[in-house]
Amino acid sequence: IAGITQAPTSQILAAGRRMTLRCTQDMRHNAMYWYRQDLGLGLRLIHYSNTAGTTGKGEVPDGYSVSRANTDDFPLTLASAVPSQTSVYFCASSGQKGHTQYFGPGTRLTVL
Amino acid sequence: GQSLEQPSEVTAVEGAIVQINCTYQTSGFYGLSWYQQHDGGAPTFLSYNALDGLEETGRFSSFLSRSDSYGYLLLQELQMKDSASYFCAAPDSSYKLIFGSGTRLLVRP
Repeated sequence: IAGITQAPTSQILAAGRRMTLRCTQDMRHNAMYWYRQDLGLGLRLIHYSNTAGTTGKGEVPDGYSVSRANTDDFPLTLASAVPSQTSVYFCASSGQKGHTQYFGPGTRLTVL
Repeated sequence: GQSLEQPSEVTAVEGAIVQINCTYQTSGFYGLSWYQQHDGGAPTFLSYNALDGLEETGRFSSFLSRSDSYGYLLLQELQMKDSASYFCAAPDSSYKLIFGSGTRLLVRP
């Protein structure tokens, strides 16, 4: 069982480019989340999805979009990357109990 | 809104006991979680307190006092591998987790 996988592991991106970060889970969890973590700081929620077909905005949604076509996949898209989006991005999922979240290994994104 | 406050850094000696505190302000309260994150790694779930009192899981224990809006993570018999960042987190009314800014624990020999 892989749990949650994310791709790519790291990416350097030119400002203005479009980028999609991939996230897949095999635990059949209903809820999935995207966080960003800036150096030395905590996790901030970007977008979330409580179930396939629904999404919601978190604390810092501007500049990001998500989709949830099925239970397993939850891609995060940066339509036009900016340097302030340089961060480590974590995808997570949870079952019925949202307080227990399982995190993917993260994607380290640098926007130049 | 919700906010969680925790110390930015704690240092302790191998074999000792350390307590990491977390105070919270929430419009509703649904419990307190703790996560561990090693440098370069992903957060991993440690414990959850829905009710007042102490929850023990091996060397780690977590405590909650709802009346004081306060909780703590207690790590006993510290090992070098316990050096990591520790985050408290609380779910909001739609079960989205709000995280504290994290406490960096440094364990010294």
